[in-house]
Amino acid sequence: GAGVSQTPSNKVTEKGKYVELRCDPISGHTALYWYRQSLGQGPEFLIYFQGTGAADDSGLPNDRFFAVRPEGSVSTLKIQRTERGDSAVYLCASSLIRQKNTEAFFGQGTRLTVV
Amino acid sequence: AQTVTQSQPEMSVQEAETVTLSCTYDTSENNYYLFWYKQPPSRQMILVIRQEAYKQQNATENRFSVNFQKAAKSFSLKISDSQLGDTAMYFCAFRAQGGSEKLVFGKGTKLTVNP
Repeated sequence: GAGVSQTPSNKVTEKGKYVELRCDPISGHTALYWYRQSLGQGPEFLIYFQGTGAADDSGLPNDRFFAVRPEGSVSTLKIQRTERGDSAVYLCASSLIRQKNTEAFFGQGTRLTVV
Repeated sequence: AQTVTQSQPEMSVQEAETVTLSCTYDTSENNYYLFWYKQPPSRQMILVIRQEAYKQQNATENRFSVNFQKAAKSFSLKISDSQLGDTAMYFCAFRAQGGSEKLVFGKGTKLTVNP
């Protein structure tokens, strides 16, 4: 596609439920990032994929959060046993394989609300 | 660990005037990049301007320019001839060269351009 696509745009779920957030990166982009943006804050890094593998998952807050990218393209962020504190906008970004001065392109995010 | 500080939660400017947004950062890295991103209500992060730390010359993109002071670890954004469409959240971001090259964001500055 022309840009990074994230679905759904908005998601409301009940506390304790499981959710999946999807990211379709720009075609050909091998690097994919997930960020979480809480209200009034800047985005915070969650996880980075280079191809199919998670090269850096140091930003995942706990083991309820997990992400996959099985074919090196689409990625899914999975959150188990959701808590109200998980409410945030989840942003995905993609870029070409690491090059000098490469640019990350962002999607419009998924706003997750846990009630 | 790197940190990015934006000390101005909100700023306002009259249309056609000039405004400067402040950003400071802390790092022990020598090779890195700095960015300003714009986030309108649509939530999509849009790259405004970038600066490579090894370049002494300040980056310029049309009405947007930066004042990069490496020794002071300061990276301010100047918007000239402000337009109503510049109204948005602005985030300063740091990216180290190498590793996952994740972005570290400040908390943002809400800019309002008044007619």
